[in-house]
Amino acid sequence: DVQMTQSPSYLAASPGESVSISCKASKSISNNLAWYQEKPGKANKLLIHSGSTLQSGTPSRFSGSGSGTDFTLTIRSLEFEDFAVYYCQQYNEYPLTFGSGTKLEIK
Amino acid sequence: EVQLVESGGGLVQPGRSLKLSCLASGFTFSNYGMNWIRQAPGKGLEWVASISSSSSYIYYADTVKGRFTISRDNAKNTLYLQMTSLRSEDTALYYCARRRAIADYWGQGVMVTVSS
Repeated sequence: DVQMTQSPSYLAASPGESVSISCKASKSISNNLAWYQEKPGKANKLLIHSGSTLQSGTPSRFSGSGSGTDFTLTIRSLEFEDFAVYYCQQYNEYPLTFGSGTKLEIK
Repeated sequence: EVQLVESGGGLVQPGRSLKLSCLASGFTFSNYGMNWIRQAPGKGLEWVASISSSSSYIYYADTVKGRFTISRDNAKNTLYLQMTSLRSEDTALYYCARRRAIADYWGQGVMVTVSS
């Protein structure tokens, strides 16, 4: 199985700042990586797929990069609505596997 | 508007069975693969099972293989998860999600609690 190591598990930042979240795969997954946002009381939201392709409706302050084993989600100019939990997920092979999540909180 | 509404959860004793349903609307259900994904209390996301649009391809996580069965009824726009031999570690919020590999839409989830 492909293990997804996500870091940090917790991140505190202020609105207007930029943050980055790392996701490392235990073997190459090409660019078959997605990022999701989880917020209380709301359905989980797909933000990015194919490593760097923004899903329709995802604000342009979100960006994804990487291929192979190392991936990064970057959020520029944080807005209040961005404080949430973020997960990466590989879909290069079954079983599909997720990172352990990053909780982004307001500093 | 894409909507996925899960139902069928609840409290069940270890070893018993439960069947979850996910009613889809707002898109042509028969054109899309579907997933079940779960989240234990205070934990991260765990993929459970996937099914292709015509049920030709089905995949399971090792943790549920042989105990859970994913199925669908395209005429009823409904996805199912039959869960048998339930264990305490199956306690989780169960989500259905559209598309087989990249979950582009998620339901709000249904809680399953396995406890005596």
